[in-house]
Amino acid sequence: EIVLTQSPATLSLSPGERATLSCRASQSVNSHLAWYQQKPGQAPRLLIYDASNRATGIPARFSGSGSGTDFTLTISSLEPEDFAVYYCQHRDNWPPGATFGGGTKVEIK
Amino acid sequence: QVQLVESGGGVVQPGRSLRLSCAASGFTFRNHGMHWVRQAPGKGLEWVSVVAAAGSVTYYEDSVKGRFTISRDNSKNTLYLQMDSLRTEDTAMYYCAKEGDAGRYSFDLWGQGTPLTVSS
Repeated sequence: EIVLTQSPATLSLSPGERATLSCRASQSVNSHLAWYQQKPGQAPRLLIYDASNRATGIPARFSGSGSGTDFTLTISSLEPEDFAVYYCQHRDNWPPGATFGGGTKVEIK
Repeated sequence: QVQLVESGGGVVQPGRSLRLSCAASGFTFRNHGMHWVRQAPGKGLEWVSVVAAAGSVTYYEDSVKGRFTISRDNSKNTLYLQMDSLRTEDTAMYYCAKEGDAGRYSFDLWGQGTPLTVSS
């Protein structure tokens, strides 16, 4: 079973700053890694799929990188609406289930 | 309008059963694998179950195996989760999610969730 470990658990930053979030897999997941944003009381929203592809409608300040076991979500300049919890997620052909990381909360400093 | 709408959540006693539904619209439902993901209060996301596009293949997270049954009716564009022998630890918001068009290993559409509380 693949385990995804996100760090840090909490990131305290100011608007305009750069956010760098990490997701490490316990074994290689190739590029089958996605990132989601979740705000309080809302469903998750897909940001990045296949490690580095922005989902439809996602602003260019969000970018994803990495392959194998180490992945990064970067928010180049935080907007007020970006303060939220971010999750990474992996799924493969078989078994077809999904694994989520524990999340990183990006909070206003 | 492209959307998923869950229903069927509520408050139930331990050991009882409940069925969740997820109505899909705005896309070709029969072409996509569908999943249930849950989130306990104040906790992270936990994947629960998947059903393949045609409904022939299903898979479950270990803690729900043998208790939950996922199914779909492609003629009604609806996904289901039959939950039996409910436990207090099943208390969560339950989301249905669609496998992505461009990235099929991700979930590009989520419902708003339906809450389940298991308590005596």
